[in-house]
Amino acid sequence: QKEVEQNSGPLSVPEGAIASLNCTYSDRGSQSFFWYRQYSGKSPELIMFIYSNGDKEDGRFTAQLNKASQYVSLLIRDSQPSDSATYLCAVKPGRGSTLGRLYFGRGTQLTVWP
Amino acid sequence: NAGVTQTPKFQVLKTGQSMTLQCAQDMNHNSMYWYRQDPGMGLRLIYYSASEGTTDKGEVPNGYNVSRLNKREFSLRLESAAPSQTSVYFCASSEASQHPYNEQFFGPGTRLTVL
Repeated sequence: QKEVEQNSGPLSVPEGAIASLNCTYSDRGSQSFFWYRQYSGKSPELIMFIYSNGDKEDGRFTAQLNKASQYVSLLIRDSQPSDSATYLCAVKPGRGSTLGRLYFGRGTQLTVWP
Repeated sequence: NAGVTQTPKFQVLKTGQSMTLQCAQDMNHNSMYWYRQDPGMGLRLIYYSASEGTTDKGEVPNGYNVSRLNKREFSLRLESAAPSQTSVYFCASSEASQHPYNEQFFGPGTRLTVL
């Protein structure tokens, strides 16, 4: 069983602050990692993807990966009320898998208040 | 280019009724997936199809059947609906490759209520 754990939250931060979302995974051979954002009543959409150790930045979003600790995080700088959503961490199994299957965490609900 | 489409958007069933949820993608993806999402439970995989002609069970397959009709279409059938199947159902598709990048694209979802 490939476990993906996230703090369920809710996480509440003021506008302009840094929001930090965390995810741990059980399969040490996991290949790559995805962060999806899901607004209430909508479908998930991909916002970040990372597969190498270290940081990856895209605008206000930074994904951080530490494979030794089996830990991936998402930082949102200068948080805006429009960032209020549920953030889903997803993990792709290791090399050799051609299925494209992802394993999802339960999501962290983020609220950014003005 | 519509991406992933699902029908219907909403459905109310009575216990014991059957129905089929339809999903189609126009991105020429090999793999397709059916998830259900319940409050606090995240996305749980029901069935997936790695490629045309193949299907496999996910985490919660009981009470469901699937058909990969062709490369574009993947349907989910509830033979005898139960209140426990009240949920939001998402269809998704992706390329199937060993490349690390393998984004899944999601449809808009079907909200199903079983009374």
